[in-house]
Amino acid sequence: EVRLVESGGGLVQPGGSLRLSCAGSGFTFRAYWLGWVRQAPGKGLEWVANIKHDGSDKYYVDSVKGRFTISRDNAKDSLFLQMNSLRADDTSVYYCAISSPFYKVGYWGQGTLVTVSS
Amino acid sequence: QLVLTQSPSASASLGASVKLTCTLSSGHSSNAIAWHQQQPEKGPRYLMTVDSDGSHKKGDGIPDRFSGSSSGAERYLTISSLESEDEADYYCQTWGTGFWLFGGGTKLTVL
Repeated sequence: EVRLVESGGGLVQPGGSLRLSCAGSGFTFRAYWLGWVRQAPGKGLEWVANIKHDGSDKYYVDSVKGRFTISRDNAKDSLFLQMNSLRADDTSVYYCAISSPFYKVGYWGQGTLVTVSS
Repeated sequence: QLVLTQSPSASASLGASVKLTCTLSSGHSSNAIAWHQQQPEKGPRYLMTVDSDGSHKKGDGIPDRFSGSSSGAERYLTISSLESEDEADYYCQTWGTGFWLFGGGTKLTVL
């Protein structure tokens, strides 16, 4: 069974930092692009960042460029999102996800809530 | 510019069928898309990938009541024999160079 389990969310003040983690199991972690998707309260899904199988390519939505960094450790089947200079509009549930047009599969974690507020 | 368009809402009766639509913007009619379901207060669940030729591949454990199809720039999700648990938000999603794009979602109400 494929599992993606996020951790690291919480309450942080504006301008602060947070590091999210996602532990994968039940699949060949290093074979897939991985991504982070967020959902603000009452809103739709928004893609945040992607990382290639080997970590060599990374992509970000414009609103987080220069503030967020995606990374992975294939030896530990783990995905990370370092979030700096957090703003109130970053408040969302953050999901770790696989979405592959090549393999035609998709998997989601259960999400972790990030609240940016003073 | 790649854009996915979905109707904000849809409704259908228990036991009936409903067809949800996701429209790809001009110039992107060959894109495959994925459908995801999000039940109230839950995380998203992957349903299937639908190709431009209408073929689809479903995720683990997705019931036969769910199917996908295509016509031109439109991608469809059909749910037959509607159940109360099908009341949810449904998002389509596609892939660009290095990025993922989601449609705005359709809120399905089961009457």
